[in-house]
Amino acid sequence: KAGVTQTPRYLIKTRGQQVTLSCSPISGHRSVSWYQQTPGQGLQFLFEYFSETQRNKGNFPGRFSGRQFSNSRSEMNVSTLELGDSALYLCASSRGAHNEQFFGPGTRLTVL
Amino acid sequence: DAKTTQPPSMDCAEGRAANLPCNHSTISGNEYVYWYRQIHSQGPQYIIHGLKNNETNEMASLIITEDRKSSTLILPHATLRDTAVYYCIVWIRENSGGSNYKLTFGKGTLLTVNP
Repeated sequence: KAGVTQTPRYLIKTRGQQVTLSCSPISGHRSVSWYQQTPGQGLQFLFEYFSETQRNKGNFPGRFSGRQFSNSRSEMNVSTLELGDSALYLCASSRGAHNEQFFGPGTRLTVL
Repeated sequence: DAKTTQPPSMDCAEGRAANLPCNHSTISGNEYVYWYRQIHSQGPQYIIHGLKNNETNEMASLIITEDRKSSTLILPHATLRDTAVYYCIVWIRENSGGSNYKLTFGKGTLLTVNP
């Protein structure tokens, strides 16, 4: 069974730009969660989607948004990028919200 | 905030068992103990989880104390590829109505397996 895939793997943007990251969950998984990982803050929860609905959201500004499609694929968008948005963005999928989460390899975003 | 306490680092000799402790003294009755690990710059990898009974799978064993206030992850024969940060997480598995869907990661334990 194929794992969670994330595209792109690496991305370089400049301040003020926006970026869209993509996540394809494991087949049959309907829940997709997004996390941000930085050296200073560690792994922090961004939001979780299930059946195209956002059900939970972490403490991030409104510049961070996401969506989920009917095939469970998910995207997250960050607008007006700041230097502090440089991080590893991880996507995790699970069959349901309370099942084991399986993580993708992440997208490394660098903001210059 | 993370509800677990782990040592920041541990060393283990290759081929020996690695025993990683975790304290979760405020764990509630419906919270499971989950273990993940993260090899440098990769996504976290699920290892094992348990509620109150000891669990074993192809990767590791999980020993949970009877009062559930602490647990130990055991890698029976550590290899160099097991060098990683190991995270112990407590998490409500059932839909309790509180809708807590997020995993809260602490700082974890950096396990270094030495040749």
